[in-house]
Amino acid sequence: DQQVKQNSPSLSVQEGRISILNCDYTNSMFDYFLWYKKYPAEGPTFLISISSIKDKNEDGRFTVFLNKSAKHLSLHIVPSQPGDSAVYFCAASVTGANNLFFGTGTRLTVIP
Amino acid sequence: NAGVTQTPKFRILKIGQSMTLQCAQDMNHNYMYWYRQDPGMGLKLIYYSVGAGITDKGEVPNGYNVSRSTTEDFPLRLELAAPSQTSVYFCASSLRKGATGANVLTFGAGSRLTVL
Repeated sequence: DQQVKQNSPSLSVQEGRISILNCDYTNSMFDYFLWYKKYPAEGPTFLISISSIKDKNEDGRFTVFLNKSAKHLSLHIVPSQPGDSAVYFCAASVTGANNLFFGTGTRLTVIP
Repeated sequence: NAGVTQTPKFRILKIGQSMTLQCAQDMNHNYMYWYRQDPGMGLKLIYYSVGAGITDKGEVPNGYNVSRSTTEDFPLRLELAAPSQTSVYFCASSLRKGATGANVLTFGAGSRLTVL
């Protein structure tokens, strides 16, 4: 029972273009959403988060958009760089709970 | 600053054997977690701890045990290993000062376990 879903296992983008990674969730109680980035043989590292009271959060080249009515969020990377090539996980949590629910990940390849 | 350190990085076990995955953090984080990641799946929470002496089950605790005797260490024990426990295990920690706010976890590099 996957509460957080990333339906695209992989994405390829040209260097300099925009990368858009998508995430859907089913639990309307989720009120924090996070994106993690993972390189091979390393643990996931935190990238950016958004609270459910916002619809956008920006940090440099990374922007996360949240559409609560559609239970959908997306991560935009502009411009994409080869070093962005990694697996990106979407995660969600409920305030007061101790679990982060993760999606299955999207492998991003940025082509030089 | 090492962050979250996991050992071993790789291990092969025979069915029925037992072992302990070690996890240590040096960030003085109060919360610690164990996740497992199966191929093509998201990370699933096995156990977590909110402080020394306090542990609780996550989504998939069966076949595992944990203890938290110090703030720094959170070992995961596998008793009677089974092929279904073949996975990559991630330890993580976070600093939580209340129930609100995003819970940002810092992860270790992972331990790949194969049970044959």
